[in-house]
This record gives sequence, structure tokens and C-alpha cells, in this order.
Amino acid sequence: DAGITQSPRHKVTETGTPVTLRCHQTENHRYMYWYRQDPGHGLRLIHYSYGVKDTDKGEVSDGYSVSRSKTEDFLLTLESATSSQTSVYFCAIRGQGAYNEQFFGPGTRLTVL
Amino acid sequence: AQTVTQSQPEMSVQEAETVTLSCTYDTSESDYYLFWYKQPPSRQMILVIRQEAYKQQNATENRFSVNFQKAAKSFSLKISDSQLGDAAMYFCAYGPGGNNNDMRFGAGTRLTVKP
Repeated sequence: DAGITQSPRHKVTETGTPVTLRCHQTENHRYMYWYRQDPGHGLRLIHYSYGVKDTDKGEVSDGYSVSRSKTEDFLLTLESATSSQTSVYFCAIRGQGAYNEQFFGPGTRLTVL
Repeated sequence: AQTVTQSQPEMSVQEAETVTLSCTYDTSESDYYLFWYKQPPSRQMILVIRQEAYKQQNATENRFSVNFQKAAKSFSLKISDSQLGDAAMYFCAYGPGGNNNDMRFGAGTRLTVKP
């Protein structure tokens, strides 16, 4: 357990509405990540952060923005949700070990109608 | 960009038997890490085993072991003495070395364990 929580755990919203997902960690990890999981694609990186106010894009960043104003919180925002953003979203942190391994939160299932 | 391929969408194994899940990857880098993650129905992603590219010795974690063939870019997972609790989706993942944060995952293999 890497002390990662995600909120909400489930959300249903309508097309065009803004949505913010929150990732919270309790162990002061520097690196945090947002992924989406879709059938046939595994997990794909959306955005990541390497420190407070330091973020960068991942493989599938279009339509998403992120913010990190505190070490412990990493927010993912869908400015105007679309049905193609229906997915399971995972937050992760990079562990302190030598392998750069990542540890994941419990996930958020988002449905955009 | 690096890619990870899991060619077996589904596998099944009899309880107490051994099963091997396949994974191949494509990279031009020499410094990288490889991982297998397990995702049970609870949806939690659980790190099963990890391998550093520089290490020739195959990693083992209890009943889980890997066959790492660097030249062939192959990283298979062997589960021995399969248990009902091993039923899950298994994802192979490639992690770059250094501060490159671009981890890539395969599409996953769904493992069924038959009693």
C-alpha cells in the first residue's frame, strides 16, 4: 500500500461538463502520474508531474489538463468531457527504489453519457 | 516510441499447474526496466515482479519467475503451482531508465484458473 487514494471512485457525468479527479498521496513522493485504462490498450499515460507545479504531457494528453499545487495532490481535469473519455483512470506514484517502479491507486471509473 | 506486445489475450491453467504468459517489447535503449502487474477483479494494480535490463539473472518472487531474453526482447512470466487467487488480468510493462517517465503497458492477458 503506497498510501494513494483517488476520489471519486465512480462518477457519471454528461457530455460537455467539466470533471476533476483527485489523487492524494501521503508519502511525499516526487513523481505522480495519471493513466487511463481501456480494453485492448492496457494503461496509457495522460500526464505526469515531477514536482509542485512541474508537469508534462504523456501519450494521450489531448482533452486533459493537470495541476499540482501541493506535493500530496495531483488533479486531473477534463475541461469538457466527451464520451471517448469514458474510462478507468489510475493515479500512480514512482517508488523510491532503484527500479523506477510505479505503484497505483485504486482507480476511478468515469462514465460520460 | 517503445511498444509492448502481449500476444495472448486469454490464457487458462488448471489449479496447481504451471502457466507462462508471453510479452515482447521494442526499444533501442540499453537502460530500462520490465515489470509484470496483476489486476484482479478488484481493479487494483499490483506489482508482481520486476527486472532490470542490465541483470542477466532472471527475477523470481515466490511462485512467480520471469524468462528475460534481452536479445530477443522477450519477457515472459511463469506462474508455478497456480492458485485460484492468481486469476486476474496480467500486464507487462516497460519502464525507461533515468528520469524518463514514459512507461508503456501491454494490452494484458486474462488468466483463468480452473479448479
